[in-house]
Amino acid sequence: SQKIEQNSEALNIQEGKTATLTCNYTNYSPAYLQWYRQDPGRGPVFLLLIRENEKEKRKERLKVTFDTTLKQSLFHITASQPADSATYLCALDLQTGANNLFFGTGTRLTVIP
Amino acid sequence: ETGVTQSPTHLIKTRGQQVTLRCSSQSGHNTVSWYQQALGQGPQFIFQYYREEENGRGNFPPRFSGLQFPNYSSELNVNALELDDSALYLCASSPSLGGGTQETQYFGPGTRLLVL
Repeated sequence: SQKIEQNSEALNIQEGKTATLTCNYTNYSPAYLQWYRQDPGRGPVFLLLIRENEKEKRKERLKVTFDTTLKQSLFHITASQPADSATYLCALDLQTGANNLFFGTGTRLTVIP
Repeated sequence: ETGVTQSPTHLIKTRGQQVTLRCSSQSGHNTVSWYQQALGQGPQFIFQYYREEENGRGNFPPRFSGLQFPNYSSELNVNALELDDSALYLCASSPSLGGGTQETQYFGPGTRLLVL
């Protein structure tokens, strides 16, 4: 069956360190993979998109890697800040016509001052 | 803020009732998708509308139905509510369909539905 797994439900990290979140998937062949941030009681907010033929994408303190052989994406936040505390969702975009996204369950990141 | 609005913000219904949730897309967006997010889970795709026609549906029963209007606003209707329908319902708009374009989706704040 198709599955998207994010490494842990919760991740605590000291301010200033690099947070690394993992997204693994099985039985999908995504055209794109996206990462979203979700704060409590709010809708997800788009952060980064990476295509199947790209290995890495960066945006300010964020970096995403995509390994279609391992079926894995890593999401890094460098120099983490308490304001980065949120739930981070990975989503596969199969580009099958309807651009529906298949989401993982999310990882709740807490950055400790 | 994404420019996508949803109403109401919260709603309490009893089992067996019907509910209508509303979404106003971001200006210029002609595609809207609806998602259900249970507590502690990621959003699950319900269906998508493009130019007033359903354009893809997830694994949800027919009692989940929708509409998109000429101004691209949208409704989600759920009949015969069940306890498991309690969730955050999200709508997301995008400028156009997928199929080769890398369109991100812009989510609204959601409607939290509680079924008692």
